[in-house]
Amino acid sequence: DVKVTQSSRYLVKRTGEKVFLECVQDMDHENMFWYRQDPGLGLRLIYFSYDVKMKEKGDIPEGYSVSREKKERFSLILESASTNQTSMYLCASSPPGAQRAFFGQGTRLTVV
Amino acid sequence: AQSVTQPDIHITVSEGASLELRCNYSYGATPYLFWYVQSPGQGLQLLLKYFSGDTLVQGIKGFEAEFKRSQSSFNLRKPSVHWSDAAEYFCAVGDNYGQNFVFGPGTRLSVLP
Repeated sequence: DVKVTQSSRYLVKRTGEKVFLECVQDMDHENMFWYRQDPGLGLRLIYFSYDVKMKEKGDIPEGYSVSREKKERFSLILESASTNQTSMYLCASSPPGAQRAFFGQGTRLTVV
Repeated sequence: AQSVTQPDIHITVSEGASLELRCNYSYGATPYLFWYVQSPGQGLQLLLKYFSGDTLVQGIKGFEAEFKRSQSSFNLRKPSVHWSDAAEYFCAVGDNYGQNFVFGPGTRLSVLP
């Protein structure tokens, strides 16, 4: 089975801190995604990457950046965390073509 | 632009009752459609998917969904709900590159004993 692993299930950070959320997948997938999940809004795409060092902005990239130095790892960076970034963050990966996305368990981030 | 709507924010059914969760999509080309389920505190698990062919697709856990192009719908059904089905359900549409997934807002299902 494909495994998508997010490094933390729960994180509490202070306003203004730089925050790194890490995601690793073990199936050599080209595509990787970071979503933010908020009640009533579903999943909103922050960034996705279709190859090493390649990235595309999603619907809500403001306040976030990403890094993909290796194919299996996709990092989401909050340069200066703010309370409105308190949310559930979900990482996903997918192979090329019309395939499904595989999700990690999510990281619930609280910014205080 | 692609979009997915799930008209019901929250549905409550009794255990053993039938279930239908609605999903409507807007997509300019042939849609690739998915239903995912999310248990509390967990990631999303794929229930079923439709790419082409038979418009009635079977998934895991006894779920099925029917693609109706004329109505731009992909409703999820289950004939008899179990208490363990209580979760949030997301409908999604994707493209044939596996890069552009758009999710609906989700429907939360509660199951009464």
